[in-house]
Amino acid sequence: NAGVTQTPKFRVLKTGQSMTLLCAQDMNHEYMYWYRQDPGMGLRLIHYSVGEGTTAKGEVPDGYNVSRLKKQNFLLGLESAAPSQTSVYFCASMTGNEQFFGPGTRLTVL
Amino acid sequence: KQEVTQIPAALSVPEGENLVLNCSFTDSAIYNLQWFRQDPGKGLTSLLLIQSSQREQTSGRLNASLDKSSGRSTLYIAASQPGDSATYLCAVRPNDYKLSFGAGTTVTVRA
Repeated sequence: NAGVTQTPKFRVLKTGQSMTLLCAQDMNHEYMYWYRQDPGMGLRLIHYSVGEGTTAKGEVPDGYNVSRLKKQNFLLGLESAAPSQTSVYFCASMTGNEQFFGPGTRLTVL
Repeated sequence: KQEVTQIPAALSVPEGENLVLNCSFTDSAIYNLQWFRQDPGKGLTSLLLIQSSQREQTSGRLNASLDKSSGRSTLYIAASQPGDSATYLCAVRPNDYKLSFGAGTTVTVRA
């Protein structure tokens, strides 16, 4: 039981490049989330999903897109990366009560 | 909008001392509150989950209390050890599927 996994662990992009972050969970959870964590600001919700085929905007959705084609996967896309998107990205999934987090992806945009 | 505050931002104590970490939130209409631990460069690990109907939860040396009416939760860690050094975050879940996080308290336990 791997829990929540994220791919890749690290990535460096140039401004304007695109990329996709993959989150996978093997706990059959309905709810999945993408957060970003910046120093001194805690975790901020980017997008979330309440089930396969559904997505919704969180607190800071601009510049990001998501898809949930399969229940176990939640993808986060950056179409045109900007330096302001340099951050650590965390994926999480949730039962009815408790959230479980992946190990994070450290993204640097130059 | 739910605002979650954790004070202090950092705390340093000698080994063996009890730790008291505070979390306050502005809207008392919550579903539950969760405490997490985060080690440097790592993800978040869930420590304790308190439902809105509960007053406290305990796990080993950890005890978390919840006072919804005053918008406060406290995490107590008894007899601290150097291995307890980490950042501790609280997260409040209102009556939907989204959590609001505090910025965390970074704890250093000195040997």
